[in-house]
Formats: sequence, structure tokens, C-alpha cells
Amino acid sequence: EDKVVQSPLSLVVHEGDTVTLNCSYEVTNFRSLLWYKQEKKAPTFLFMLTSSGIEKKSGRLSSILDKKELFSILNITATQTGDSAVYLCAVHGSSNTGKLIFGQGTTLQVKP
Amino acid sequence: GAVVSQHPSWVICKSGTSVKIECRSLDFQATTMFWYRQFPKQSLMLMATSNEGSKATYEQGVEKDKFLINHASLTLSTLTVTSAHPEDSSFYICSARDYRDRGTEAFFGQGTRLTVV
Repeated sequence: EDKVVQSPLSLVVHEGDTVTLNCSYEVTNFRSLLWYKQEKKAPTFLFMLTSSGIEKKSGRLSSILDKKELFSILNITATQTGDSAVYLCAVHGSSNTGKLIFGQGTTLQVKP
Repeated sequence: GAVVSQHPSWVICKSGTSVKIECRSLDFQATTMFWYRQFPKQSLMLMATSNEGSKATYEQGVEKDKFLINHASLTLSTLTVTSAHPEDSSFYICSARDYRDRGTEAFFGQGTRLTVV
């Protein structure tokens, strides 16, 4: 059964700290791994990773995938209170319909 | 990026009534749309895959007679929660993928918060 596990489940940091969120997966016929940020409503897309070792970067956020060890990390540097959200990792696996398997999410709280 | 519109964004209904939620892809065609459910402080759980012109594929444990899905066109899928009960109260989100795009990014609607009283 396809499975995505995120850790930690929750995290509290102070502004300026750097955080690393983890996502491990067991999926048949891996196609891609996606990171989303969810605040009050629907998730917003952050990154899509398909190849190992290639870092994707967007401002203070970056992410990398290790297909050998079956995990990905999402880094946020110089955190701000606006980074407070639930970060979701999802994997597109064995189905070719585009179905995503989501992890439990990591709730990040950034304190001023 | 592509836009997916979900309506309504919130709804309150009485127990025993039915509620219809719409999911539209505004600037692309989607042969496949997905319906998720999210309970407070939990992740998204896929309920069903909606296929244009054919029956939806439901995940294990999801009652197809309770959660009716219709995907009548390439830009519209609907989820009807029939005979709603308080335990159906949840956040429902749809997503869609552009059928021409071989990539795997899914675009999400804004979500619908359903409260059954």
C-alpha cells in the first residue's frame, strides 16, 4: 500500500530560525513528490520534485529529493510569522490518473 | 497557474438534507478530478477520482451511494453529500489536472466547509 509519512508532526520556532521538514514515502512506480503549504483553506503548490539530488529553490524555501533513500526535505530559512502553516507532502505513485497520496502534514508555528 | 473554482466555500445544512458541491476548472480541461476530505488537524484523504463521462472510482471505505459524484463535462465535477449527518461535517476539497499536461501538479479548489446541524 502506498504510504507517505511526514515528520515532525508539529514544530514551534522563532522568527529567523531555519527549519527542516521531512517526508518519507513508500510508493509503487514513483512519479513525483510535491510539497504544498496550507493555511486556512486549500493547499497552495510549492514544489514538484522528480529527480534525485536536484535542489528546487524559491526564495527562502528549498527542497530536495533522494529517490534512493525514498525521502524529501523542505527547508525554510530565516522563518517569518507568515510561514506558519501546515506543510503537506504528497506523492504521485502507481496510478496514472494523477492521484496524490498525502502525508499527515507538519504544522509549523513561527513565533515573533 | 491553472485555476480551479469550488463552490460554495461554506454551507450549513440540516441533518437529512443533501448538499451539492461544484468543482470547475476555469482555464483548462480536466478529464480527471479528485475529491478530498479533511478533518480538523488532519491531512487530506482522497475520497474518489472523478472521471469525465464515466463512473467515479471510490477509495476503500467511502460510500458511493452517500457521496455521489458526477463529472458531466471536461470542466465540471460535482459531489453531492446525500442525507447528510453531523459526522459528514468536514472540509471538502477538489483538485484537477490539465489533461494535456503530462506533469503531475494538481490544482486545488478553495475548498468547501460543510457543517451539518
